[in-house]
Amino acid sequence: KAGVTQTPRYLIKTRGQQVTLSCSPISGHRSVSWYQQTPGQGLQFLFEYFSETQRNKGNFPGRFSGRQFSNSRSEMNVSTLELGDSALYLCASSWRTSGTSTDTQYFGPGTRLTVL
Amino acid sequence: EDQVTQSPEALRLQEGESSSLNCSYTVSGLRGLFWYRQDPGKGPEFLFTLYSAGEEKEKERLKATLTKKESFLHITAPKPEDSATYLCAVPSQGAQKLVFGQGTRLTINP
Repeated sequence: KAGVTQTPRYLIKTRGQQVTLSCSPISGHRSVSWYQQTPGQGLQFLFEYFSETQRNKGNFPGRFSGRQFSNSRSEMNVSTLELGDSALYLCASSWRTSGTSTDTQYFGPGTRLTVL
Repeated sequence: EDQVTQSPEALRLQEGESSSLNCSYTVSGLRGLFWYRQDPGKGPEFLFTLYSAGEEKEKERLKATLTKKESFLHITAPKPEDSATYLCAVPSQGAQKLVFGQGTRLTINP
C-alpha cells in the first residue's frame, strides 16, 4: 500500500513570493493534517482537513491556508513568504473514524522549503 | 494548555546498552499517545499508539509503556540502526491536532 506522498520535495523561494505544496494521503484515508517543523519550534500543527472542510486550525497567520479535494488530496499555500517560513512541511493522513480515541496519523516525507 | 515534555534531549549509548526515554504530558482527557521515529531529512515514522494507563506495546527492540502522567520508550540491546530522533505526541482539543514533544535524539555507537 502506497504511503503518503508530498510534492515537491524541495523548494527554494524568495521573500514575498507564494508557494503551494501538495499532499496525497494513503488510499482510503479521509483526513489530512499539515505540520511545520523547524529546529527551534519542533513540530507544530497547521491545520486539518476532512471531507473538504477545515476542521482544526493551529496558531499560524492567515498567510497559511489550505484546501482538500473530493479525492482527499490536499494542498497548502503560503503567501507573502518570510524568511521564518523556511521549514520542513509535513503532511499526515488518517482514517478519522468517529469515537473517543484519535486515529494514528501517518506522515509523508515532507517538503523542504527554503526562503531566501 | 496541552504540553508534552521529552527527556533527555539527547542520549548517546553503546551498542547493546539498554535505556529508556521519557515522555511526560499534561492534557485533559487523554485520547491516545503516539510514538514516532524520525531520521534526518525524513518524515516521522509511526511506531506505537497507547490509549490507556498500563498498556504496553513492543516492536523488535522497542517497548512503549503508558501511565496516567507519562510514557516510556524502552530500548533493549540497541543497534546503530536505532539511531534517530524519537518523538511522542498527544492529541489536543480532542481532535486530530497532535502536540509533539521536542524529541530525544538517540545515538547508538558501535
